[in-house]
Amino acid sequence: GNSVTQMEGPVTLSEEAFLTINCTYTATGYPSLFWYVQYPGEGLQLLLKATKADDKGSNKGFEATYRKETTSFHLEKGSVQVSDSAVYFCALIPTDSWGKLQFGAGTQVVVTP
Amino acid sequence: NAGVTQTPKFQVLKTGQSMTLQCAQDMNHNSMYWYRQDPGMGLRLIYYSASEGTTDKGEVPNGYNVSRLNKREFSLRLESAAPSQTSVYFCASRPEGLYNYGYTFGSGTRLTVV
Repeated sequence: GNSVTQMEGPVTLSEEAFLTINCTYTATGYPSLFWYVQYPGEGLQLLLKATKADDKGSNKGFEATYRKETTSFHLEKGSVQVSDSAVYFCALIPTDSWGKLQFGAGTQVVVTP
Repeated sequence: NAGVTQTPKFQVLKTGQSMTLQCAQDMNHNSMYWYRQDPGMGLRLIYYSASEGTTDKGEVPNGYNVSRLNKREFSLRLESAAPSQTSVYFCASRPEGLYNYGYTFGSGTRLTVV
């Protein structure tokens, strides 16, 4: 079946540090891949997406590249801010589904001043 | 503001009580979804509705029922609440046919069953 695996958190960083959150997936065909962010007390917001191999999604200084050969979609940001403290979810929509999003467990990121 | 609206935001139930979680979207989306969020497990799909008049089970449907009242509204009902249903519930919608655009989520309902 389809699945998404993320690195466990919490990840604690100092402001301006480099952030990487690993995400790997299992799926048939060519799923669409997403990163969602959840700020404290809020719902999920789409952060970025990629729909085919080698696509790079980017938004708000975050980037992730769709790597078919390693089935990965790692999230990176070069210099984090306190406001980036949130829970980050990697997700996919399989090609054989009714557009049903499937999520990883989420990774909490805490950025300290 | 356009988006997905969920009510209530918080609810405490006693075991065995029933309740309905409401969800409405004003983006003319065809597909709507109910997820539950539990620590360390991400979001899991309970039920979804691909279009008005249709509903289907997701990954964890037991103990829940849904109604797609019209294109805008998709409600989730707990007939006899159990402590295992303590969770945060999110409703979401997406446009038909646009698999690449992701979903719009509501702000969630935090439910505690005691």
